[in-house]
Amino acid sequence: NAGVTQTPKFQVLKTGQSMTLQCAQDMNHEYMSWYRQDPGMGLRLIHYSVGAGITDQGEVPNGYNVSRSTTEDFPLRLLSAAPSQTSVYFCASATRATEQYFGPGTRLTVT
Amino acid sequence: AQSVTQLGSHVSVSEGALVLLRCNYSSSVPPYLFWYVQYPNQGLQLLLKYTSAATLVKGINGFEAEFKKSETSFHLTKPSAHMSDAAEYFCVWGDFGNQFYFGTGTSLTVIP
Repeated sequence: NAGVTQTPKFQVLKTGQSMTLQCAQDMNHEYMSWYRQDPGMGLRLIHYSVGAGITDQGEVPNGYNVSRSTTEDFPLRLLSAAPSQTSVYFCASATRATEQYFGPGTRLTVT
Repeated sequence: AQSVTQLGSHVSVSEGALVLLRCNYSSSVPPYLFWYVQYPNQGLQLLLKYTSAATLVKGINGFEAEFKKSETSFHLTKPSAHMSDAAEYFCVWGDFGNQFYFGTGTSLTVIP
């Protein structure tokens, strides 16, 4: 049981490049979320999903896309990276009866 | 939207002293409340959670928190700080499995 996994662990992008951050969980959790963590701001919700095929926007969705084709996977896409997207990204999963379980994070730098 | 306020972005205590990290929430709905800890360059780990059972909640590593509805507070305490407690602590208001609202975090420094 690996829990929540995220890849890559580190990534450097140039402005305008695109990429996908991967997130997978093997706990059969219906809820999955993406957060970004910036100094002094805590974690802010980007997008979340309450089940396969269902996604919704969080607090800071601009510049990010998500999809949820399976229960296990919840990738986050940056279509055209900007320096303001430099951050640490965390994926989390949960069921209705549990707290959220977090992945180890992806540290992204956009130059 | 709900909000969570953590008073003090940085707290320093001496080893062996009481740890008190403050958290207040704004909500008219009975909340689920959590404290998470983040050690340097790591992910987030659940310390404890309040789910409307006992108002005094015990967590891992000797931490506990008390839910006070009249004060809309959920402060985290530990009687005696250890060096290994140095980390970032987040108070979180949540709806199980759905959206979580994070406080801005409190960085705890333990002085030997």
